[in-house]
Amino acid sequence: DAGVIQSPRHEVTEMGQEVTLRCKPISGHNSLFWYRQTMMRGLELLIYFNNNVPIDDSGMPEDRFSAKMPNASFSTLKIQPSEPRDSAVYFCASSASEDNEQYFGPGTRLTVT
Amino acid sequence: AQSVSQHNHHVILSEAASLELGCNYSYGGTVNLFWYVQYPGQHLQLLLKYFSGDPLVKGIKGFEAEFIKSKFSFNLRKPSVQWSDTAEYFCAVIGTYKYIFGTGTRLKVLA
Repeated sequence: DAGVIQSPRHEVTEMGQEVTLRCKPISGHNSLFWYRQTMMRGLELLIYFNNNVPIDDSGMPEDRFSAKMPNASFSTLKIQPSEPRDSAVYFCASSASEDNEQYFGPGTRLTVT
Repeated sequence: AQSVSQHNHHVILSEAASLELGCNYSYGGTVNLFWYVQYPGQHLQLLLKYFSGDPLVKGIKGFEAEFIKSKFSFNLRKPSVQWSDTAEYFCAVIGTYKYIFGTGTRLKVLA
């Protein structure tokens, strides 16, 4: 298996633009997690899905952030409109179940100018 | 509420020194425990995990961790670190389907 796949790997955009981050989990995994990592705040869980259903979105910072999982093999994290403080590395992770080890993707480094 | 504490934010060691990174959690029920490592510029990878059984868990690259239920701790150890162990280490706990990561400990090993 190729592991968790994220795209793009790097994204530079201007403030106010819409940003869409994509994730393909490991085949057969039932849980998918979106994280944000910054120097100041460390690793933050934004949202996680189980069997394509959002279970906990309490970490989503505000309404500008939204996440979807239309099927078991694809998820998106959208920021609209983007702001400079959204600059971070966004990781997607998947696991076979909610309480098992997570496999992380390579991350998307987002820079909002 | 569930929480995870990693008390050492930055650790600097010389090669061959012994390592112990602390991890304490607050949750009264059954937990699954994990240590992840993030090498510079890379994503998090699992070092080891504890679900049940022997509280002394051995992971990859010579790392081990001990679960002490009475102390709510899951400390990571390595008897002799190498320069290549320079990385950030995260403790994670899950209970009642809430996955919580600690704030991480940055380890720098001097050659």
